[in-house]
Amino acid sequence: DTGVSQNPRHKITKRGQNVTFRCDPISEHNRLYWYRQTLGQGPEFLTYFQNEAQLEKSRLLSDRFSAERPKGSFSTLEIQRTEQGDSAMYLCASRTGPSYNSPLHFGNGTRLTVT
Amino acid sequence: ELKVEQNPLFLSMQEGKNYTIYCNYSTTSDRLYWYRQDPGKSLESLFVLLSNGAVKQEGRLMASLDTKARLSTLHITAAVHDLSATYFCAVDSTGANNLFFGTGTRLTVIP
Repeated sequence: DTGVSQNPRHKITKRGQNVTFRCDPISEHNRLYWYRQTLGQGPEFLTYFQNEAQLEKSRLLSDRFSAERPKGSFSTLEIQRTEQGDSAMYLCASRTGPSYNSPLHFGNGTRLTVT
Repeated sequence: ELKVEQNPLFLSMQEGKNYTIYCNYSTTSDRLYWYRQDPGKSLESLFVLLSNGAVKQEGRLMASLDTKARLSTLHITAAVHDLSATYFCAVDSTGANNLFFGTGTRLTVIP
């Protein structure tokens, strides 16, 4: 168990640019989640994958955000035309299935700063 | 949407003292999780509570769940400085595919 891995750790970008983050979940975990966390707040759910299928998306996820999980392994989260309000920590988490009784295992996150 | 409230939001306590953090949630659930987050770090799973009356203990921390009251508590016994962190509770809503997190309790243990 090598844990959930996220890259990059930090990303600074100018407003209007596109960014892409990668998440490698724990290998036997078929469920993968993206969350966003701003300073002083708890993580907010963005989207959820079961294997390669994206089963749920939050209303927070505007059409500038897109996530994929090809082949049910790693996942990418892309933000197009970034805005300053997108600045946050983006957390990826995975859990084993089929039971929902296991906790989410979080990666170290990607901190995005939009200037 | 499920709401999860924690109190207090900030807690400063002396080493050796006891205190309790409360987590209330707004809809039916029988799965509740506690996480710890150190500054600049990710979230670490502490406890998984899966039924009414569940109690889990690890070291100086003890968590409990009352699903009828929609309340979980995290009790700290004889606090030490190493427990300084932000603690989050999170709830799995029945039928939902994600966890809803509280706003966190930032704990500072003073020597």
